[in-house]
Amino acid sequence: DVKVTQSSRYLVKRTGEKVFLECVQDMDHENMFWYRQDPGLGLRLIYFSYDVKMKEKGDIPEGYSVSREKKERFSLILESASTNQTSMYLCASSAGTGHQPQHFGDGTRLSIL
Amino acid sequence: DAKTTQPPSMDCAEGRAANLPCNHSTISGNEYVYWYRQIHSQGPQYIIHGLKNNETNEMASLIITEDRKSSTLILPHATLRDTAVYYCISRRYNNNDMRFGAGTRLTVKP
Repeated sequence: DVKVTQSSRYLVKRTGEKVFLECVQDMDHENMFWYRQDPGLGLRLIYFSYDVKMKEKGDIPEGYSVSREKKERFSLILESASTNQTSMYLCASSAGTGHQPQHFGDGTRLSIL
Repeated sequence: DAKTTQPPSMDCAEGRAANLPCNHSTISGNEYVYWYRQIHSQGPQYIIHGLKNNETNEMASLIITEDRKSSTLILPHATLRDTAVYYCISRRYNNNDMRFGAGTRLTVKP
């Protein structure tokens, strides 16, 4: 089975802090994604990557950056955390191109105080 | 990607088949239909996907109408653990974005 592991289930940080969310997948997938999920807004794509050191902006990249130094690992960085970034963050991965489905981790519930 | 429409909620008796409908009347020829579910406080779980043929795996069956304007996810013998929000998504081939709508909240009752 595909395994996507996010480093923390719950995280509490303060406004202005730099926050790192880590995601690791064990299926040698080329593509990796970061979403945030908020009530009433569904899932929104922040960034994605289709190869090591490659990244593409999604719908809401402002205030975030990403890093993909190794194929299995995709990090989301909140450069200076703000309260409106309190959310559930979901990482996903998928194989290659075409119609392969994305597989999600269990999410990190991030609270910014 | 085509917009999908699902009923907001459904109930199902434990042990019975759960049939979850999805309308995607504007779907185009290269768009696949995907089904996910999300149990409270967990990430979305992939269930099944298809293009035009019916599909079956160990979790569920996917029935797509011949005109591809709608589909039905079938859980053949629902259990209490199948209580979740179920999402139907259409996505173009090679498109990386998964557009999750509001989904259907399925409640399996004893």
